[in-house]
Amino acid sequence: QQQVKQSPQSLIVQKGGISIINCAYENTAFDYFPWYQQFPGKGPALLIAIRPDVSEKKEGRFTISFNKSAKQFSLHIMDSQPGDSATYFCAAEKTSGSRLTFGEGTQLTVNP
Amino acid sequence: NAGVTQTPKFRILKIGQSMTLQCTQDMNHNYMYWYRQDPGMGLKLIYYSVGAGITDKGEVPNGYNVSRSTTEDFPLRLELAAPSQTSVYFCASSWGQSSYNSPLHFGNGTRLTVT
Repeated sequence: QQQVKQSPQSLIVQKGGISIINCAYENTAFDYFPWYQQFPGKGPALLIAIRPDVSEKKEGRFTISFNKSAKQFSLHIMDSQPGDSATYFCAAEKTSGSRLTFGEGTQLTVNP
Repeated sequence: NAGVTQTPKFRILKIGQSMTLQCTQDMNHNYMYWYRQDPGMGLKLIYYSVGAGITDKGEVPNGYNVSRSTTEDFPLRLELAAPSQTSVYFCASSWGQSSYNSPLHFGNGTRLTVT
């Protein structure tokens, strides 16, 4: 059973555009939602994360929007740059005792 | 600091062969993990360890074995390689149980092909 569903599988955006990646989760006990960024040939690395007590978190050009009632959260990349081209994974965790569950991943390509 | 180091980077195995994927970390992290990454499938947890001498199964443990004799090392063993084990394998470590206050640190992966 896939507990975290991510879409789209791939995304192509022009430089300067907005990239949006969506995730939906099933387990209402999840209380921590990180995004990991993975460059080709490298392992994933934590990019930004949110807890459900806030609806939005912004760090530079990266913003997480969180909708608790819909059990959805999304990553927005403003002013997308070619250097943002990577695979992005959303994830969810119940901090009191489960392991991270990852989404399927989104391969983002930002064209110059 | 080197962080999490995985060897080898690439490997081709024939069906039925065995091999060990090596993982070592120099951050004195208690928790270590093995994931496999397949296109469109995300990262699936194979095994994890909460400390030396303690290991437990993740989502997809069949066909794999692990051991944790030291804090630093967490090797993954494939005994009878099958084509379904063709994947990219990532080792990760963290200080604590929850990634909320202890994010995962990943190695750069081992790309394994079984033919």
